[in-house]
Amino acid sequence: DTAVSQTPKYLVTQMGNDKSIKCEQNLGHDTMYWYKQDSKKFLKIMFSYNNKELIINETVPNRFSPKSPDKAHLNLHINSLELGDSAVYFCASSQQRLSSYNEQFFGPGTRLTVL
Amino acid sequence: KNEVEQSPQNLTAQEGEFITINCSYSVGISALHWLQQHPGGGIVSLFMLSSGKKKHGRLIATINIQEKHSSLHITASHPRDSAVYICAVESGFQKLVFGTGTRLLVSP
Repeated sequence: DTAVSQTPKYLVTQMGNDKSIKCEQNLGHDTMYWYKQDSKKFLKIMFSYNNKELIINETVPNRFSPKSPDKAHLNLHINSLELGDSAVYFCASSQQRLSSYNEQFFGPGTRLTVL
Repeated sequence: KNEVEQSPQNLTAQEGEFITINCSYSVGISALHWLQQHPGGGIVSLFMLSSGKKKHGRLIATINIQEKHSSLHITASHPRDSAVYICAVESGFQKLVFGTGTRLLVSP
């Protein structure tokens, strides 16, 4: 069983379109994340949700809107896509523990190409 | 300057060699993570540590909190170890700040 899954795996679209990437985890974790990996392979956090509440919102254009319908799902909607949005987007999840570290489990990534 | 610096950026080794990848950071942290990104793109967590040393099989991770430095060692390297190794520090509420990665290629 896949622990953290993302759909689609590849997404090719035109500038100006609106698209969504879906993420689901079956680990029972209460925290989920979206990361962006640019063409230089540098990873950066975009958003984090804990029990459906937004807790991390990095400096990301407001064209990006995460939505968490329940704690097992965190979707990423992107409006008015731009060339610079081309990247690999990774979803991840972890279980919040106050007294220990929080191993994060990553999805397989979604490669977004904006033409 | 990135808050997390890794060296080297690229590393080529012969099978069987001992490999060290270094990570230095400039912020206060609650934990440090080592991740492996396979050539196919998937990311796997290798270690999380906030002090001392951890070992899994041929992999060893150490951290020196005073010096804000961590190392990842691979003993008896193998071509299947070829991947990008990423250091990330946990700063704040489960927020990871990543290094730029070290691309390792192990030749037979």
